[in-house]
Amino acid sequence: EPEVTQTPSHQVTQMGQEVILRCVPISNHLYFYWYRQILGQKVEFLVSFYNNEISEKSEIFDDQFSVERPDGSNFTLKIRSTKLEDSAMYFCASSADMNTEAFFGQGTRLTVV
Amino acid sequence: KNQVEQSPQSLIILEGKNCTLQCNYTVSPFSNLRWYKQDTGRGPVSLTIMTFSENTKSNGRYTATLDADTKQSSLHITASQLSDSASYICVVSANGGSYIPTFGRGTSLIVHP
Repeated sequence: EPEVTQTPSHQVTQMGQEVILRCVPISNHLYFYWYRQILGQKVEFLVSFYNNEISEKSEIFDDQFSVERPDGSNFTLKIRSTKLEDSAMYFCASSADMNTEAFFGQGTRLTVV
Repeated sequence: KNQVEQSPQSLIILEGKNCTLQCNYTVSPFSNLRWYKQDTGRGPVSLTIMTFSENTKSNGRYTATLDADTKQSSLHITASQLSDSASYICVVSANGGSYIPTFGRGTSLIVHP
Protein backbone atom coordinates (compact mmCIF):
# COMPACT_ATOMS: atom_id res chain seq x y z
CA GLU A 1 0.00 0.00 0.00
CA PRO A 2 1.45 3.40 -0.95
CA GLU A 3 2.47 5.57 1.95
CA VAL A 4 4.03 8.91 2.77
CA THR A 5 7.52 8.49 4.19
CA GLN A 6 9.38 11.01 6.32
CA THR A 7 12.99 11.22 7.33
CA PRO A 8 14.49 11.43 9.82
CA SER A 9 12.10 10.08 12.43
CA HIS A 10 13.81 12.16 15.09
CA GLN A 11 16.11 15.16 14.76
CA VAL A 12 17.88 17.00 17.53
CA THR A 13 19.37 20.37 16.66
CA GLN A 14 20.86 23.33 18.44
CA MET A 15 18.98 26.60 18.58
CA GLY A 16 19.87 28.79 15.62
CA GLN A 17 20.78 25.92 13.36
CA GLU A 18 19.06 25.16 10.07
CA VAL A 19 17.13 21.92 9.68
CA ILE A 20 15.63 20.23 6.65
CA LEU A 21 12.83 17.76 7.12
CA ARG A 22 12.26 15.40 4.23
CA CYS A 23 9.15 13.76 2.87
CA VAL A 24 8.38 11.48 -0.02
CA PRO A 25 4.69 11.87 -0.86
CA ILE A 26 2.61 9.22 -2.57
CA SER A 27 3.76 9.16 -6.18
CA ASN A 28 0.58 10.15 -8.05
CA HIS A 29 -0.52 12.79 -5.55
CA LEU A 30 -0.56 16.44 -6.54
CA TYR A 31 -1.14 18.26 -3.24
CA PHE A 32 1.40 18.32 -0.46
CA TYR A 33 1.17 19.62 3.07
CA TRP A 34 3.18 20.21 6.20
CA TYR A 35 1.64 20.24 9.66
CA ARG A 36 3.11 20.45 13.12
CA GLN A 37 1.96 19.21 16.49
CA ILE A 38 3.54 20.56 19.63
CA LEU A 39 3.53 17.94 22.38
CA GLY A 40 0.11 17.74 23.99
CA GLN A 41 -1.46 20.22 21.61
CA LYS A 42 -3.56 19.98 18.49
CA VAL A 43 -2.29 19.55 14.97
CA GLU A 44 -1.64 22.88 13.22
CA PHE A 45 -1.55 23.51 9.49
CA LEU A 46 1.66 25.07 8.17
CA VAL A 47 1.54 25.09 4.39
CA SER A 48 0.06 23.49 1.30
CA PHE A 49 1.87 23.11 -1.99
CA TYR A 50 0.48 22.50 -5.46
CA ASN A 51 1.87 22.87 -8.96
CA ASN A 52 5.29 23.76 -7.61
CA GLU A 53 4.14 26.66 -5.53
CA ILE A 54 2.67 27.43 -2.15
CA SER A 55 -1.14 27.51 -2.32
CA GLU A 56 -1.88 28.28 1.33
CA LYS A 57 0.15 29.07 4.41
CA SER A 58 -0.73 29.78 7.99
CA GLU A 59 0.51 32.52 10.29
CA ILE A 60 2.98 30.02 11.74
CA PHE A 61 4.73 29.69 8.38
CA ASP A 62 6.84 32.84 8.60
CA ASP A 63 10.06 33.79 6.82
CA GLN A 64 11.98 31.19 8.81
CA PHE A 65 10.16 28.43 6.98
CA SER A 66 10.40 27.37 3.37
CA VAL A 67 9.29 24.39 1.31
CA GLU A 68 10.69 22.89 -1.81
CA ARG A 69 10.08 20.03 -4.19
CA PRO A 70 13.59 19.73 -5.56
CA ASP A 71 13.37 16.64 -7.71
CA GLY A 72 9.79 15.63 -8.37
CA SER A 73 9.68 13.08 -5.58
CA ASN A 74 10.92 14.73 -2.39
CA PHE A 75 9.09 17.49 -0.56
CA THR A 76 11.14 19.31 2.05
CA LEU A 77 10.50 21.72 4.89
CA LYS A 78 13.39 23.96 5.88
CA ILE A 79 13.61 25.93 9.08
CA ARG A 80 16.40 28.46 8.71
CA SER A 81 17.22 29.34 12.29
CA THR A 82 15.50 27.05 14.74
CA LYS A 83 14.04 28.29 17.98
CA LEU A 84 13.18 26.33 21.10
CA GLU A 85 9.48 26.73 20.33
CA ASP A 86 9.97 24.96 16.99
CA SER A 87 10.24 21.71 18.92
CA ALA A 88 7.32 19.62 17.73
CA MET A 89 6.28 16.67 15.62
CA TYR A 90 6.18 17.67 11.98
CA PHE A 91 3.87 15.76 9.69
CA CYS A 92 3.95 15.69 5.93
CA ALA A 93 0.81 14.72 4.02
CA SER A 94 -0.26 14.35 0.43
CA SER A 95 -3.51 13.98 -1.44
CA ALA A 96 -4.59 13.35 -5.01
CA ASP A 97 -7.01 16.25 -4.93
CA MET A 98 -7.83 19.11 -2.58
CA ASN A 99 -11.04 17.42 -1.42
CA THR A 100 -9.88 13.83 -1.22
CA GLU A 101 -8.28 11.87 1.57
CA ALA A 102 -4.95 13.17 2.77
CA PHE A 103 -2.39 10.56 3.75
CA PHE A 104 -0.04 11.48 6.56
CA GLY A 105 3.50 10.34 7.16
CA GLN A 106 4.64 9.05 10.51
CA GLY A 107 6.21 12.38 11.39
CA THR A 108 9.59 13.78 12.30
CA ARG A 109 10.07 14.68 15.93
CA LEU A 110 12.18 17.83 16.02
CA THR A 111 13.85 18.72 19.29
CA VAL A 112 15.60 22.09 19.51
CA VAL A 113 18.03 22.38 22.39
CA LYS B 1 -12.70 33.24 13.57
CA ASN B 2 -12.95 29.61 12.37
CA GLN B 3 -13.12 27.21 15.27
CA VAL B 4 -13.66 23.50 15.80
CA GLU B 5 -14.72 22.27 19.23
CA GLN B 6 -14.76 18.60 20.16
CA SER B 7 -16.36 16.83 23.05
CA PRO B 8 -15.79 15.05 25.24
CA GLN B 9 -12.12 15.82 25.76
CA SER B 10 -11.58 12.23 26.86
CA LEU B 11 -13.66 9.11 27.09
CA ILE B 12 -13.17 5.70 28.68
CA ILE B 13 -15.34 2.80 27.61
CA LEU B 14 -15.34 -0.97 27.90
CA GLU B 15 -14.46 -3.17 24.96
CA GLY B 16 -17.51 -4.03 22.90
CA LYS B 17 -19.44 -0.90 23.84
CA ASN B 18 -20.48 1.84 21.43
CA CYS B 19 -19.61 5.50 21.75
CA THR B 20 -20.27 8.81 20.03
CA LEU B 21 -17.88 11.71 19.70
CA GLN B 22 -19.04 15.24 18.93
CA CYS B 23 -17.68 18.05 16.80
CA ASN B 24 -19.09 21.58 16.54
CA TYR B 25 -17.64 24.08 14.12
CA THR B 26 -17.94 27.69 13.07
CA VAL B 27 -15.95 27.37 9.83
CA SER B 28 -17.59 29.23 6.99
CA PRO B 29 -18.16 28.85 4.12
CA PHE B 30 -18.05 25.12 4.66
CA SER B 31 -16.17 22.85 2.26
CA ASN B 32 -15.67 19.53 3.97
CA LEU B 33 -15.32 17.85 7.35
CA ARG B 34 -12.90 15.05 8.07
CA TRP B 35 -12.49 12.68 10.96
CA TYR B 36 -9.03 11.31 11.68
CA LYS B 37 -7.73 8.70 14.07
CA GLN B 38 -4.34 9.40 15.59
CA ASP B 39 -2.45 6.81 17.57
CA THR B 40 0.04 8.19 20.07
CA GLY B 41 3.21 9.35 18.32
CA ARG B 42 1.87 8.51 14.86
CA GLY B 43 0.43 10.46 11.97
CA PRO B 44 -3.35 10.92 11.66
CA VAL B 45 -5.22 8.38 9.56
CA SER B 46 -8.30 9.44 7.65
CA LEU B 47 -11.59 7.81 8.64
CA THR B 48 -14.19 9.80 6.69
CA ILE B 49 -14.58 12.89 4.54
CA MET B 50 -17.95 14.59 4.28
CA THR B 51 -19.06 17.41 2.02
CA PHE B 52 -22.02 19.74 2.42
CA SER B 53 -24.51 17.40 0.76
CA GLU B 54 -23.62 14.31 2.79
CA ASN B 55 -25.44 13.49 6.02
CA THR B 56 -23.90 10.13 6.85
CA LYS B 57 -20.81 8.23 5.86
CA SER B 58 -19.59 4.91 7.16
CA ASN B 59 -16.20 3.25 7.22
CA GLY B 60 -16.46 -0.15 8.82
CA ARG B 61 -17.38 0.32 12.49
CA TYR B 62 -17.07 4.09 12.16
CA THR B 63 -20.09 6.17 11.13
CA ALA B 64 -19.91 9.93 10.78
CA THR B 65 -22.89 12.23 10.57
CA LEU B 66 -23.05 15.83 9.48
CA ASP B 67 -25.69 18.47 10.10
CA ALA B 68 -24.60 21.48 8.06
CA ASP B 69 -27.47 23.59 9.38
CA THR B 70 -26.45 23.29 13.02
CA LYS B 71 -22.75 22.90 12.10
CA GLN B 72 -22.39 19.70 14.04
CA SER B 73 -20.86 16.35 13.29
CA SER B 74 -20.61 13.13 15.24
CA LEU B 75 -18.47 10.04 14.96
CA HIS B 76 -20.08 6.85 16.18
CA ILE B 77 -17.92 3.84 16.94
CA THR B 78 -19.71 0.50 17.12
CA ALA B 79 -18.54 -2.53 19.07
CA SER B 80 -15.34 -0.89 20.24
CA GLN B 81 -12.05 -2.77 20.21
CA LEU B 82 -8.89 -2.23 22.20
CA SER B 83 -7.22 -0.96 19.04
CA ASP B 84 -9.73 1.89 18.89
CA SER B 85 -7.84 3.56 21.74
CA ALA B 86 -6.54 6.74 20.12
CA SER B 87 -7.22 10.43 19.63
CA TYR B 88 -10.04 11.24 17.22
CA ILE B 89 -9.66 14.54 15.45
CA CYS B 90 -12.28 16.58 13.62
CA VAL B 91 -10.97 18.83 10.85
CA VAL B 92 -13.08 21.34 8.95
CA SER B 93 -12.02 23.12 5.76
CA ALA B 94 -13.49 26.30 4.34
CA ASN B 95 -14.39 26.93 0.71
CA GLY B 96 -13.30 29.97 -1.22
CA GLY B 97 -10.65 32.45 -0.18
CA SER B 98 -8.74 30.30 2.25
CA TYR B 99 -8.72 26.52 2.28
CA ILE B 100 -6.68 26.29 5.45
CA PRO B 101 -8.11 23.44 7.55
CA THR B 102 -9.09 24.04 11.14
CA PHE B 103 -8.28 21.21 13.52
CA GLY B 104 -10.09 20.31 16.67
CA ARG B 105 -8.15 19.35 19.79
CA GLY B 106 -9.37 15.79 19.52
CA THR B 107 -11.15 13.36 21.80
CA SER B 108 -8.91 10.89 23.57
CA LEU B 109 -10.63 7.51 23.60
CA ILE B 110 -9.48 4.70 25.85
CA VAL B 111 -11.01 1.27 25.44
CA HIS B 112 -10.57 -1.05 28.41
CA PRO B 113 -10.87 -4.83 28.26
